[in-house]
Amino acid sequence: DAKTTQPNSMESNEEEPVHLPCNHSTISGTDYIHWYRQLPSQGPEYVIHGLTSNVNNRMASLAIAEDRKSSTLILHRATLRDAAVYYCILSGDTGRRALTFGSGTRLQVQP
Amino acid sequence: GAVVSQHPSWVICKSGTSVKIECRSLDFQATTMFWYRQFPKQSLMLMATSNEGSKATYEQGVEKDKFLINHASLTLSTLTVTSAHPEDSSFYICSAPDRVGSGNTIYFGEGSWLTVV
Repeated sequence: DAKTTQPNSMESNEEEPVHLPCNHSTISGTDYIHWYRQLPSQGPEYVIHGLTSNVNNRMASLAIAEDRKSSTLILHRATLRDAAVYYCILSGDTGRRALTFGSGTRLQVQP
Repeated sequence: GAVVSQHPSWVICKSGTSVKIECRSLDFQATTMFWYRQFPKQSLMLMATSNEGSKATYEQGVEKDKFLINHASLTLSTLTVTSAHPEDSSFYICSAPDRVGSGNTIYFGEGSWLTVV
């Protein structure tokens, strides 16, 4: 799977929007962009995924660059419960191949 | 949404004994399940891929005789840590895709803490 690059850590204030970047310059045409987050002592939680178009769901929005070499996870209003490690992962076939986790971005949310 | 459940959430066992961790897909059938291990302050490392009705596929460096995986049904995979030692103490996590094909979602269990004393 193609590699992703994320900042090690980010800070945000509660109730403010958060933009978590991810670079994936070697993404292939069939790779989906997946975002997961992991709270302390819990398994990863699915956040959102997309292929080419921007995606929105209850948790977040995913903005994908036109050339697909980068993407941004947007949390519209951060809460203290959003403090977690966020992973950006590329995968072309999640039906058969496991997701490969990098080091992710540790998001801290200040009250 | 789809749910993957693990049991137990945590377990303490004596060195030299075996311990079994179960992973269940609660509202979908999973022909494939994935097992990960995570040490403190590290990322998840894939251990093996569990395939229903066939042998598991292990990642390089993972001892298949020590980490026994059984995927007996479309909703249950088990990981048995045999002859456990303190260095096997870790957070074990399973996951499963909700269907075959590209672009689907992989769901993760809550994780199981194993402490070997």
